[in-house]
Amino acid sequence: ETGVTQTPRHLVMGMTNKKSLKCEQHLGHNAMYWYKQSAKKPLELMFVYSLEERVENNSVPSRFSPECPNSSHLFLHLHTLQPEDSALYLCASSQDLGGGGYQETQYFGPGTRLLVL
Amino acid sequence: DAKTTQPPSMDCAEGRAANLPCNHSTISGNEYVYWYRQIHSQGPQYIIHGLKNNETNEMASLIITEDRKSSTLILPHATLRDTAVYYCIVRDSGAGSYQLTFGKGTKLSVIP
Repeated sequence: ETGVTQTPRHLVMGMTNKKSLKCEQHLGHNAMYWYKQSAKKPLELMFVYSLEERVENNSVPSRFSPECPNSSHLFLHLHTLQPEDSALYLCASSQDLGGGGYQETQYFGPGTRLLVL
Repeated sequence: DAKTTQPPSMDCAEGRAANLPCNHSTISGNEYVYWYRQIHSQGPQYIIHGLKNNETNEMASLIITEDRKSSTLILPHATLRDTAVYYCIVRDSGAGSYQLTFGKGTKLSVIP
């Protein structure tokens, strides 16, 4: 078991719905990440937070809105999604950004399997 | 990040050691070698990492050649639950990007 939990594990939503994905890390880490994993495509980094400040936003559409209220929690708010947004959404955390080795080792949660109809 | 090459698939008998190779011939001096695995439809699981020295933890051992151009992940006593895709990643902590780049990995099948 990792120290990163995600809820819900599965989500089905219509294109007009608004939903939120939640991630919580119990590792005392300072950095958190959102990734998207689509079938037959490589892992895509969406957002990076360090000490609750967003440090990276990789050209993600505005229908995805992240929120990091504290260093243990990360949310991904979803609205007016498209069917092509169906994917496994993964949260990860690391002790810090950079520094090499243990400091930047990323630990992943189990993911939320999202289906947009 | 340097490129890695792994065999697409391997079989291992249950209870035997699984040795998973990875070539990273263009690795630079400040790049770490990380290993992750992913069981179908679950999040990637961190296994181990190293820079120059061999490393061991409760999950596995990592053997890095002296020239650092290749490494081997060893699962000492493979179980059916070790069936997964294993990814070898080399990463420069100073590169300014936080993306973990997973290649195609090695699909390990542990056979009863």
